[in-house]
Amino acid sequence: QSALTQPPSASGSPGQSVTISCTGTSSDVGNYDYVSWYQHHPGKAPKLMIYEVSKRPSGVPDRFSGSKSGNTASLTVSGLQAEDEAYYHCSSYAGSNNLIFGGGTKLTVL
Amino acid sequence: EVHLVESGGGLVKPGGSLRLSCVASGFTFTSYSMNWFRQAPGKGLEWVSLIDSRSTYLYYADSVKGRFTISRDNAKNSLYLQMNSLRAEDTAFYYCARDSIAWSRDYWGQGTLVTVSS
Repeated sequence: QSALTQPPSASGSPGQSVTISCTGTSSDVGNYDYVSWYQHHPGKAPKLMIYEVSKRPSGVPDRFSGSKSGNTASLTVSGLQAEDEAYYHCSSYAGSNNLIFGGGTKLTVL
Repeated sequence: EVHLVESGGGLVKPGGSLRLSCVASGFTFTSYSMNWFRQAPGKGLEWVSLIDSRSTYLYYADSVKGRFTISRDNAKNSLYLQMNSLRAEDTAFYYCARDSIAWSRDYWGQGTLVTVSS
């Protein structure tokens, strides 16, 4: 069982928006603004999409946004495109040099 | 362009050993801490180990402490993971990743598969 809880799947039609949640505790997500999101197409290298809850690395489309409320972080993908179909993993710093992940969410573009 | 390429995975019997390598290019390797992560079948990502740029500080997940050893050769732009006393639960894709700010990792390799089975 993963330390952070993500829904196993999410879906949306092209052009729609979808939000993926990542629930932790007051010791990790709720205590630090060190939440990151990674996109992973099977067989390829994971890609950093969001860091520090809501910041986008250079080159990541602004269709991807992150937020946090209490112990739950969220990734929203707006204007869904076919290439957004992938697995999305959240991570959070949990103190004492400990980095924890969720179980991953498979995003399907219908 | 940043590239990380892992190698060294394969099939090994329980109790056996394996050494993974990760060759980096496209950035100043000596300026970054580096990590190993893994993803077991059907599971989420798991941080395995971290080494700072000068090999001064080494950190390990409790699940591999005492069995795995991380190292690097800055002259060869290479990162390594020596895995001993392997168990079935170590079966996973192993990824190297570059450290970045705010506990994120900004570049990853495509991974190498380690299968521990008799």
